[in-house]
Amino acid sequence: QQQVKQSPQSLIVQKGGISIINCAYENTAFDYFPWYQQFPGKGPALLIAIRPDVSEKKEGRFTISFNKSAKQFSLHIMDSQPGDSATYFCAASGYNNDMRFGAGTRLTVKP
Amino acid sequence: DTAVSQTPKYLVTQMGNDKSIKCEQNLGHDTMYWYKQDSKKFLKIMFSYNNKELIINETVPNRFSPKSPDKAHLNLHINSLELGDSAVYFCASSRQGRNYGYTFGSGTRLTVV
Repeated sequence: QQQVKQSPQSLIVQKGGISIINCAYENTAFDYFPWYQQFPGKGPALLIAIRPDVSEKKEGRFTISFNKSAKQFSLHIMDSQPGDSATYFCAASGYNNDMRFGAGTRLTVKP
Repeated sequence: DTAVSQTPKYLVTQMGNDKSIKCEQNLGHDTMYWYKQDSKKFLKIMFSYNNKELIINETVPNRFSPKSPDKAHLNLHINSLELGDSAVYFCASSRQGRNYGYTFGSGTRLTVV
């Protein structure tokens, strides 16, 4: 079964807007929560990651918010740009570092 | 200089054939993985190797056999290919231990006809 649930499946945002993608997990053994960005024809690339000892991590326009009690985390993309159009995957890993991925969100940023 | 390289990038073959996909990483990582991405973009782990030792073997048909000649290489051999094997296969690597991100290759698009 899918261990990380991601929503929405697709998202359309205007340039300059905020893109928000949400994920939820069940396995409390997970302790590393990365986000990956994938462009067509390319492999996923690590974008930003968080550990459960912090509630927020920001890198440039990308922010992860983490709610340990709710077992949820989200990616916020501020000032979204057309170049951000890609598929985004949340993921979670634990002891073996085996990464379990969400189903992906296809983001389209309209100019 | 590509960090994780896969060959071939595209592979079109007939049902019943046997094929291999090669993966090499030059990052000095100890752990390598194979993932399958289906037509809906879902990424599913197939195998992971740590220092040539099999760590994870998900529910994958035994027609799929990984081989790791050394810690920089992880190849995937597929016997008796079926239509349902058509997908993009990604190799990835990471440092050993927990809380490390993966570096993915650019994928091999396998089409079985």
